[in-house]
Amino acid sequence: DVKVTQSSRYLVKRTGEKVFLECVQDMDHENMFWYRQDPGLGLRLIYFSYDVKMKEKGDIPEGYSVSREKKERFSLILESASTNQTSMYLCASRLDIGGGYTFGSGTRLTVV
Amino acid sequence: KNQVEQSPQSLIILEGKNCTLQCNYTVSPFSNLRWYKQDTGRGPVSLTIMTFSENTKSNGRYTATLDADTKQSSLHITASQLSDSASYICVVRRRGNTPLVFGKGTRLSVIA
Repeated sequence: DVKVTQSSRYLVKRTGEKVFLECVQDMDHENMFWYRQDPGLGLRLIYFSYDVKMKEKGDIPEGYSVSREKKERFSLILESASTNQTSMYLCASRLDIGGGYTFGSGTRLTVV
Repeated sequence: KNQVEQSPQSLIILEGKNCTLQCNYTVSPFSNLRWYKQDTGRGPVSLTIMTFSENTKSNGRYTATLDADTKQSSLHITASQLSDSASYICVVRRRGNTPLVFGKGTRLSVIA
């Protein structure tokens, strides 16, 4: 089974801090995704990557950036965390265009 | 506009009872539809996947239906258990290399 690992289950950061959320998958998947999930809004796509060094903006990229230096790792960066970025962050990966998605367990980020 | 609407928003049922969750979508062109189960504080896990030609698919006590003509899907849970308490998310995939379209989920609580 594919495993998608998010490095932290819970994080508490201060406003203005730079925050790194890490996601690693172990099955050589091409595509990786970052979502945030908020009550009443469902999952919303922040950024995605179809290949190493490649990144595309999703529906809500403002305030975020990403890095994909290696195929297995996709990092989400909050350059200057704000309280409205308090959320559950979910990473997902899929083999390629025809593949199913596998989600990580999520990182619950609280910005105070 | 590509949208996925789920109903009800939340549901409380007694252990042992059956329930049905609904999903209507306007996503086009349609590729497939998945139902995910998301336990509190965890990432979504796929329950079923249905393509255009499939009407019914079962996974244990979970049975999903798809009516591609009316663009409706349902997830029926039989003989509910306390462990079924979770959010159930309907996700539709468009043909081509495009992001998923998520419903906002139905929050199911099974009580003793």
